[in-house]
Amino acid sequence: SQKIEQNSEALNIQEGKTATLTCNYTNYSPAYLQWYRQDPGRGPVFLLLIRENEKEKRKERLKVTFDTTLKQSLFHITASQPADSATYLCAAEGTGGFKTIFGAGTRLFVKA
Amino acid sequence: DGGITQSPKYLFRKEGQNVTLSCEQNLNHDAMYWYRQDPGQGLRLIYYSQIVNDFQKGDIAEGYSVSREKKESFPLTVTSAQKNPTAFYLCASSPAGGGSGGYTFGSGTRLTVV
Repeated sequence: SQKIEQNSEALNIQEGKTATLTCNYTNYSPAYLQWYRQDPGRGPVFLLLIRENEKEKRKERLKVTFDTTLKQSLFHITASQPADSATYLCAAEGTGGFKTIFGAGTRLFVKA
Repeated sequence: DGGITQSPKYLFRKEGQNVTLSCEQNLNHDAMYWYRQDPGQGLRLIYYSQIVNDFQKGDIAEGYSVSREKKESFPLTVTSAQKNPTAFYLCASSPAGGGSGGYTFGSGTRLTVV
């Protein structure tokens, strides 16, 4: 079955360092990968989207890569801050929309 | 400000009771969705609607029902047939088929069976 896997272990890093989160997909060839931020008790907030024909996308301190050979997306937060502490969700969608598959998310803790 | 409003934030259901979760959006989005979130699992799609008066079952539709009588509104009813309804429910919308621009989510409703 189609799967999106994110590291279930929390990621703890020091303020100012780069956080790197991984998203792997199996039995699937998504047209898009999306990344969301979710704070406790809140809905996810859309951050970035990358298409299958794009290798990399940047937005301020955020960078996303998409490797269709490895079936993997990496999400980077540079110069991380305690305010970046949250759960980050990866989601994959094929062409045609409406049936997006979400990963369970990775919890990020940034220590001051 | 445009956005999605879900209510109530917390809801308690007794055994055998139907409850309805509200979702309203003022983004003029055509498509709306209901997801369920359980600890340690990804969001799972319950129902989605592409246009008014039309909706489709998602992966876990059993025990749930929806309506889409207005573009702005997409309420979800959790029926007594849903045997394990305790979860965090999220409503979302998108301009069309969600992938190309991401989804806008509401702040969620936490449903607990008592």
